[in-house]
Amino acid sequence: RKEVEQDPGPFNVPEGATVAFNCTYSNSASQSFFWYRQDCRKEPKLLMSVYSSGNEDGRFTAQLNRASQYISLLIRDSKLSDSATYLCVVNNANTGNQFYFGTGTSLTVIP
Amino acid sequence: GAVVSQHPSWVICKSGTSVKIECRSLDFQATTMFWYRQFPKQSLMLMATSNEGSKATYEQGVEKDKFLINHASLTLSTLTVTSAHPEDSSFYICSARVGRDVGRRTEAFFGQGTRLTVV
Repeated sequence: RKEVEQDPGPFNVPEGATVAFNCTYSNSASQSFFWYRQDCRKEPKLLMSVYSSGNEDGRFTAQLNRASQYISLLIRDSKLSDSATYLCVVNNANTGNQFYFGTGTSLTVIP
Repeated sequence: GAVVSQHPSWVICKSGTSVKIECRSLDFQATTMFWYRQFPKQSLMLMATSNEGSKATYEQGVEKDKFLINHASLTLSTLTVTSAHPEDSSFYICSARVGRDVGRRTEAFFGQGTRLTVV
């Protein structure tokens, strides 16, 4: 079973739409959770960390459900510049500090 | 934020030759760095964990004799693809975390990636 599973999409949404991405992880001992953004042919860059209490950064809201081992990312008022691949990332420091990546969800925001 | 620099950004080499990729942490010390490979339309796959001053830890299915990793200092890890073949063509990315403490919540910083094409 994969460490992290994501719906690969693609998601094609109009500007201004709200879109949600989901992710599940298999290791209940996982400790840290992140959403990264990757533009085509570029390295991933941190979008936001995900905390148990949920956290919001502008138009982006991330939530974590440890009981269901489920992570979500909500993007409101989508912009053209939001078009990218969004990677769900899980880390368990107790097993070597490796980061495990989902396959990524492709988002295209259409004018 | 912390910066990880990777070099070269892209390389084209002939089949059978070896290619070295460097990963440097510019403003912090990284006792551990990670090497990933990404094929088109796929996610990043962890290849190995590079540990300063000791042998790298390879993921299952990754040939340690083909992908040589050297982490000689706290700011430099290198990945050498030996006897490269066309199927090794991929996007190779290194990453490092700030902080030496296990369990500390810090994100990973990535190098710019190296696009390797073997012809």
